[in-house]
Amino acid sequence: QVQLVQSGTEVKKPGASVKVSCKASGYTFTDFYIHWVRQAPGQGLEWMGWINPKSGGTKYAKNLQGRVTMNWDTSINTAYVEMSSLRSDDTAVFYCARRTWDFWGQGTLVTVSS
Amino acid sequence: QSVLTQPPSASGTPGQRVSISCSGSNSNLGRNTVHWYQQLPGTAPKLLIYRDDQRPSGVPDRFSGSKSGTSASLAIRGLQSEDEADYYCASWDDSLDGWVFGGGTKLTVL
Repeated sequence: QVQLVQSGTEVKKPGASVKVSCKASGYTFTDFYIHWVRQAPGQGLEWMGWINPKSGGTKYAKNLQGRVTMNWDTSINTAYVEMSSLRSDDTAVFYCARRTWDFWGQGTLVTVSS
Repeated sequence: QSVLTQPPSASGTPGQRVSISCSGSNSNLGRNTVHWYQQLPGTAPKLLIYRDDQRPSGVPDRFSGSKSGTSASLAIRGLQSEDEADYYCASWDDSLDGWVFGGGTKLTVL
């Protein structure tokens, strides 16, 4: 069965970087882009971008360009999102989802606090 | 301020039919399809409707979607207590060159 399993909770200080992973199983990893979406506490969903695990191509949300990087490792069927220069308002649950939006990871809480 | 506009809340009693609207513009709903997601408290969103009116396997036919022009709607008939959740619409936006979401609608089953 298709599964996306994400890495665990992160606590970072302002100005630091964070890297979250998303391990895929149950399907051919390179057949589907991976979306990254974040959700601040009590807020709505915000698309961060996607990565194409077949080509390595990426597209980032315009408001996050320069602070977010997505990459992948096909040898372990894992996609990553890295965000730099973290601020307190970056505190959010990060989700990965398959291109067709039909399967989502369980979410990773990233807390930015001094 | 979300690019797609949804009412912040909706409510209904068990068995009722409720509808949640999603309003956009020519750069998103006017040219691209809409998806709907259900998010139960503390869980990841779940795809409920894709490409305006298609249900993934396993989603009850009590849930239906429609779109006309730059507006879309999610309807839930035969409301049940387990439908109490947040609902989000989403679409590709050609101007922003990215996916955009509605602000979400909190559905309460009275």
